[in-house]
Amino acid sequence: DAGVIQSPRHEVTEMGQEVTLRCKPISGHDYLFWYRQTMMRGLELLIYFNNNVPIDDSGMPEDRFSAKMPNASFSTLKIQPSEPRDSAVYFCASSFPRGPRLVQFFGPGTRLTVL
Amino acid sequence: AQKITQTQPGMFVQEKEAVTLDCTYDTSDPSYGLFWYKQPSSGEMIFLIYQGSYDQQNATEGRYSLNFQKARKSANLVISASQLGDSAMYFCAMREGLAAGNKLTFGGGTRVLVKP
Repeated sequence: DAGVIQSPRHEVTEMGQEVTLRCKPISGHDYLFWYRQTMMRGLELLIYFNNNVPIDDSGMPEDRFSAKMPNASFSTLKIQPSEPRDSAVYFCASSFPRGPRLVQFFGPGTRLTVL
Repeated sequence: AQKITQTQPGMFVQEKEAVTLDCTYDTSDPSYGLFWYKQPSSGEMIFLIYQGSYDQQNATEGRYSLNFQKARKSANLVISASQLGDSAMYFCAMREGLAAGNKLTFGGGTRVLVKP
């Protein structure tokens, strides 16, 4: 079975440009999470969806960040305009909502560099 | 206060030996789950093992076991018979509550380097 798929794996862009990160969750998983990993702040949750609906976006740093999930198999995280401090690894994770463990399975991440 | 604390920023272990990675947590919720993830140099986050707050026995998954001491709020990961491929960052994480949407809170990680 395919795991969580993210694209691109690496993105280098210039300050001010729009960046779109993409995620395909594991089929059948109802929950989708976006995390950001930096050296300074570690791993932090940005936003999560349940059945394609955003539930908690309190971790989104500012209005420059937006996320959508138009259907059960696709989500995007957009940064517009991008800034150098947005440089980080962005992870998408998905979770099956039944069973005791409710493990979140992570994608390979997108390493974003904003120059 | 930190919800997840990993006090060992880095450690060396000899190949074939066991290593214990420390994790302490802080929560007032009686229902929670504890997770360990491995992040090799390639960057992906790999789920290793899970321990529920109501589980009576320590979790085991192959060479991984979790030393769960609930009263001490401790959930240490034990890797037995270390292999070179175990060299990676290891993160402890906690989910408070039973809902699938509850976020994971991660510790700062421990870097393990296995020496041949």
